[in-house]
Amino acid sequence: QSVLTQPPSVSGAPGQRGTISCTGSSSNIGAGYDVHWYQQFPGTAPKLLIFGDNNRPSGVPDRFSGSKSGTSASLAITGLQAEDEADYYCQSYDNSLRTWVFGGGTKLTVL
Amino acid sequence: QVQLQESGPGLVKPSETLSLICTVSGGSISSYYWSWIRQSPGKGLEWIGYIYFFGRTNYNPSLKSRATMSVDTSQKQFSLKLSSVTAADTAMYYCARSIAARPGEYFFDHWGQGTLVTVSS
Repeated sequence: QSVLTQPPSVSGAPGQRGTISCTGSSSNIGAGYDVHWYQQFPGTAPKLLIFGDNNRPSGVPDRFSGSKSGTSASLAITGLQAEDEADYYCQSYDNSLRTWVFGGGTKLTVL
Repeated sequence: QVQLQESGPGLVKPSETLSLICTVSGGSISSYYWSWIRQSPGKGLEWIGYIYFFGRTNYNPSLKSRATMSVDTSQKQFSLKLSSVTAADTAMYYCARSIAARPGEYFFDHWGQGTLVTVSS
């Protein structure tokens, strides 16, 4: 069980909007710490997708966006494409555990 | 483009010490924090610790002081030693560059491809 809770799976049709939630607590997201998101394809390393709640590194399409409110954060993907099928992880800092923590990951399926 | 490459034994016996090296290429090792992160089916992604280029370290308290990191700036390498390993330490181990958008707000912008370490007799 991860400190940050994500749904195990989400799905959507091509062209639709997909959303992945990341629920934390008052010692991490709720304390105001930044949330970051990673994309991971099978057999490869995670890749930075969103940093600082809602910033995209160079090269990440603007179809990907992040948001944060209270003790939760969300990753939104507009115009779903087959190539978006991957695992997605959120990450933040926890001041109770004194460590950087990850969500358990969400498998996105594009139907 | 910064690239990271992990190297080390893929099999370690229980109670022994796991040793890995990460080699940085295509960029400077200086002025950055460098992390080790592992991924296992049972525990997901877990941050192990980081080392700053001049040697300052910070470790995940859950590892109960079993982790030790060091850096060799001349070779552009940093390393991880994890002592007294058990089967629970079996995982894919990644090295990654750590970046902070705000003080203390670290995230990981470049990752190695990972190396699988199995703990078994």
